[in-house]
Amino acid sequence: SQQGEEDPQALSIQEGENATMNCSYKTSINNLQWYRQNSGRGLVHLILIRSNEREKHSGRLRVTLDTSKKSSSLLITASRAADTASYFCATRKILGGGADGLTFGKGTHLIIQP
Amino acid sequence: DAMVIQNPRYQVTQFGKPVTLSCSQTLNHNVMYWYQQKSSQAPKLLFHYYDKDFNNEADTPDNFQSRRPNTSFCFLDIRSPGLGDAAMYLCATSRPRGSSNQPQHFGDGTRLSIL
Repeated sequence: SQQGEEDPQALSIQEGENATMNCSYKTSINNLQWYRQNSGRGLVHLILIRSNEREKHSGRLRVTLDTSKKSSSLLITASRAADTASYFCATRKILGGGADGLTFGKGTHLIIQP
Repeated sequence: DAMVIQNPRYQVTQFGKPVTLSCSQTLNHNVMYWYQQKSSQAPKLLFHYYDKDFNNEADTPDNFQSRRPNTSFCFLDIRSPGLGDAAMYLCATSRPRGSSNQPQHFGDGTRLSIL
């Protein structure tokens, strides 16, 4: 079952504008991660925020986490055409045998118009 | 560069004809995962290996099997592919739990088509 739900499902903005994507989740978490997926490619890890953190930055990315609302947002500032991709939030799924999997949200498909 | 490599990138098979997808890694990670991603959907975990220990997700069909002959390689076998198995199959690796929340590293996937 899906742990996270992103909104919007699709977002189209002009190059240079900021893009904000939101993610909600259902259970308590240890951390929340954001991944990017270019069309026809694998997922690339962008940023991880721990449950005791409220905000984290990485280059043009800013992630916030509100554990009381079970939600997170990903902000991409000064968007570029190369940012066109699908973005997924993911939470840890505890597996047997000492490994952790990921449960992904449905994703936001971001299109940057040149 | 250390990475996760999946071959082939595109695979076409016939309905009911067994198919094997492969994944290799140079990261020396203990854990390897297989995810299924259908069109416009999120990746869904099928199973994972922690070293040689295989762990199946409860809702993964019996039609899907996996092999990990050594640390570097992992295979996904689909014994009798049906039309509903057409999807992107993603391999990922990570360090085990307790390794400072290490992220997963993904290959570029194999897109499987069923005729």
